[in-house]
Amino acid sequence: EPEVTQTPSHQVTQMGQEVILRCVPISNHLYFYWYRQILGQKVEFLVSFYNNEISEKSEIFDDQFSVERPDGSNFTLKIRSTKLEDSAMYFCASSRTTTGGREKLFFGSGTQLSVL
Amino acid sequence: DQQVKQNSPSLSVQEGRISILNCDYTNSMFDYFLWYKKYPAEGPTFLISISSIKDKNEDGRFTVFLNKSAKHLSLHIVPSQPGDSAVYFCAASPGFNKFYFGSGTKLNVKP
Repeated sequence: EPEVTQTPSHQVTQMGQEVILRCVPISNHLYFYWYRQILGQKVEFLVSFYNNEISEKSEIFDDQFSVERPDGSNFTLKIRSTKLEDSAMYFCASSRTTTGGREKLFFGSGTQLSVL
Repeated sequence: DQQVKQNSPSLSVQEGRISILNCDYTNSMFDYFLWYKKYPAEGPTFLISISSIKDKNEDGRFTVFLNKSAKHLSLHIVPSQPGDSAVYFCAASPGFNKFYFGSGTKLNVKP
């Protein structure tokens, strides 16, 4: 079964450093997402991306965050200057549909970001 | 802004018995609901969904019930198996590829 892949599985960085989290969504999917889960808390929506642009973003997704689809397969999340509170598990997800949202999300296994 | 709530952080059930996981939502625009299962060190995987035009959807041992008037849904697992031990997330969508997740319930099925 096709799957969403994320690299690295664990990223440790110093506060103030830039990090790039990488994802390869399922190839025929059209919508791409980043979610995060701070330990013990709910899974929070960060951003959705469709047709090479952001379709929606949450208030968490401030100017320190950016997303990019640099080629036909990768989808990246960049955090320009990491803060301690950015430490979380970051999940990439993708879905097929263009309207209605009745398709399910397929998630990657996550990147655990630890900001020291 | 918790539009989807799972008030039980954990649940422990004996193997063979029924597991009932609950979820409440506040937004009446939600019309599609999903349950995801998550094992440690893995991403959430889709389990079962239900549209608001239904009140029940069944898939093998898993049944989701939707009570729109109460804005409540539940996932029943029967019989529960040790391999079902995981964190279960409820999610809701108003369409337009937007999904809101609860904080999860950790299910432990004891042999």
